[in-house]
Amino acid sequence: GENVEQHPSTLSVQEGDSAVIKCTYSDSASNYFPWYKQELGKRPQLIIDIRSNVGEKKDQRIAVTLNKTAKHFSLHITETQPEDSAVYFCAASSQDTGNQFYFGTGTSLTVIP
Amino acid sequence: EAGVAQSPRYKIIEKRQSVAFWCNPISGHATLYWYQQILGQGPKLLIQFQNNGVVDDSQLPKDRFSAERLKGVDSTLKIQPAKLEDSAVYLCASSQYGPSAEQYFGPGTRLTVT
Repeated sequence: GENVEQHPSTLSVQEGDSAVIKCTYSDSASNYFPWYKQELGKRPQLIIDIRSNVGEKKDQRIAVTLNKTAKHFSLHITETQPEDSAVYFCAASSQDTGNQFYFGTGTSLTVIP
Repeated sequence: EAGVAQSPRYKIIEKRQSVAFWCNPISGHATLYWYQQILGQGPKLLIQFQNNGVVDDSQLPKDRFSAERLKGVDSTLKIQPAKLEDSAVYLCASSQYGPSAEQYFGPGTRLTVT
């Protein structure tokens, strides 16, 4: 089955700096890559996603890039703010596996004011 | 639209006891998922339903865990008997049918087994 690895496990940045979180996947059939943000004690919420026919997607301060050849994708947050502090999870899925999401182990991001 | 509902929000039981969790997905969502999230880890899929049929339960410990979605709407997840290592947050999610469909998560049930 699919194996998703996520790095780093923890990340601290100064407010205003950029943060980058990287994920790799193993199944070349994976074609959908969502990113979820989970604040302490709350449910995961989708912040951005990308499909395999696109190399990059941007939504205000958040962007995701996908390299299908290398089987990795990254989340980029620019101009970080304290409210960006949370745990971020990447995931990969494919229609071949019933659209099941395989999640990474999470990155705890702390934005220091 | 109303989100995914789960109950209870918290549950504390002793090992070897039984427990059940309930999930009500977003109206019209054909696909329902149960995840186990152990502290410090990403959600791990336990079972996936498409309407009232099971799509994937390969990671469900079937000797102690069971789940059903009899009418294709609400779902229950049961653990019997519970072990210490079952302490986790149990998340329910739902999505519309189809590839690359966004999954919407419920608030979760935090289970503590003592």
